[in-house]
Amino acid sequence: EVKLVESGGGLVQPGGSLRLSCVGSGFSLSAYWMSWVRQAPGKGLEWVANIKQDGSEENYVDSVRGRFTISRDNTRNSVYLQMNTLRVEDTAVYYCAKNQLLIHDAFNLWGQGTVVTVSS
Amino acid sequence: EIVLTQSPGTLSLSPGERATLSCRASQSVRANHIAWYQQKPGLAPRLLFFGASYRVTGIPDRFSGSGSGTDFTLTITRLEPEDFAVYYCQQYGDSPPTFGQGTEVELK
Repeated sequence: EVKLVESGGGLVQPGGSLRLSCVGSGFSLSAYWMSWVRQAPGKGLEWVANIKQDGSEENYVDSVRGRFTISRDNTRNSVYLQMNTLRVEDTAVYYCAKNQLLIHDAFNLWGQGTVVTVSS
Repeated sequence: EIVLTQSPGTLSLSPGERATLSCRASQSVRANHIAWYQQKPGLAPRLLFFGASYRVTGIPDRFSGSGSGTDFTLTITRLEPEDFAVYYCQQYGDSPPTFGQGTEVELK
């Protein structure tokens, strides 16, 4: 079965850090751009970041640039999101998503999501 | 960035009826790089269409996507009970990729 599974979410205080992980199975993640997309409670979807197949290029939405870092380990078929200096407005379900093919593309495979809550 | 505006916000319909969902972009979307997703409560979004009108394998043909430039439409010809959900459009022709705010298709 082709799937993505996220982990690492939780409750963190403002200013804190979390590292999210996403493991792929049933396919080689190394062939694709990979992205993180988030959804605040009761809200719509927001693309957060993506990373090139070999890890040589990363892109971020303005609201997280300088605070979040996306990375990957193709030997572990995994993608990560290091989130620092977290803010209340970063509270969301974070989804790992596979790009179809391009740097910016439709997302044809999603994980189940991991919940990040930033609160004091 | 390109802003996508979906309308209506909520569509109240009965099974068997036709649903027409609109997605309007603040500027022309390069190469009609528009995707549509379906999301049910507590689940991840599911890709329905890419390139505005290319249906993903396994999506029933009662779903269709159309449009170009700034105006795009998702049509469900005869609603089935499993189609009641929230639908999002996304543009990926320009950076950053952006989503519309969603249209909820609810049971009347």
